[in-house]
Amino acid sequence: GAVVSQHPSWVICKSGTSVKIECRSLDFQATTMFWYRQFPKQSLMLMATSNEGSKATYEQGVEKDKFLINHASLTLSTLTVTSAHPEDSSFYICSARTPGPNYGYTFGSGTRLTVV
Amino acid sequence: GENVEQHPSTLSVQEGDSAVIKCTYSDSASNYFPWYKQELGKGPQLIIDIRSNVGEKKDQRIAVTLNKTAKHFSLHITETQPEDSAVYFCAASEGSHTPLVFGKGTRLSVIA
Repeated sequence: GAVVSQHPSWVICKSGTSVKIECRSLDFQATTMFWYRQFPKQSLMLMATSNEGSKATYEQGVEKDKFLINHASLTLSTLTVTSAHPEDSSFYICSARTPGPNYGYTFGSGTRLTVV
Repeated sequence: GENVEQHPSTLSVQEGDSAVIKCTYSDSASNYFPWYKQELGKGPQLIIDIRSNVGEKKDQRIAVTLNKTAKHFSLHITETQPEDSAVYFCAASEGSHTPLVFGKGTRLSVIA
């Protein structure tokens, strides 16, 4: 089946530093990937849609200069949290749309970010 | 845009009983409806999905029904087991590379 690998699974960083999260589709090409944020006991909130070779589309209220998304290849999308603050601490999850008529959406295992 | 409502928010059942979770959606253009199971600290795992050209789909103890006219779909888990305890999310998408819109989730507890 379609597998999406997300790394790191957890990261602790100091305030003001940047953190990069990688999302790779292992056995399929993903022209479209999605980045979600999830707070404890809440649902997944879409942050942005990442399209290979073009600029990401951000949801309303998501700062594009703070959450940098790069989708430079058909198998890799990255999310960089710049100048991290404690309120950026959250669970970040990527997802990729699998190709074909019987498409689906496969999710990574998530990244727990803690900013101290 | 699409809005997905999910009920109940919590559900406790005795082991062996059935569990039903219901969702409604607002956008008639939505045509893909997956259900995900999420365990603590992990990403969502697809357990079953249904497309708008089908009214019902079953996979062992899990089934999903879709009523396009009423814009609602439901997850049915029979013969529940303690390992079914998790948070379940419904979602909807109109495809065409649009993202999934999620319901708020249902925390299912199966009591042994």
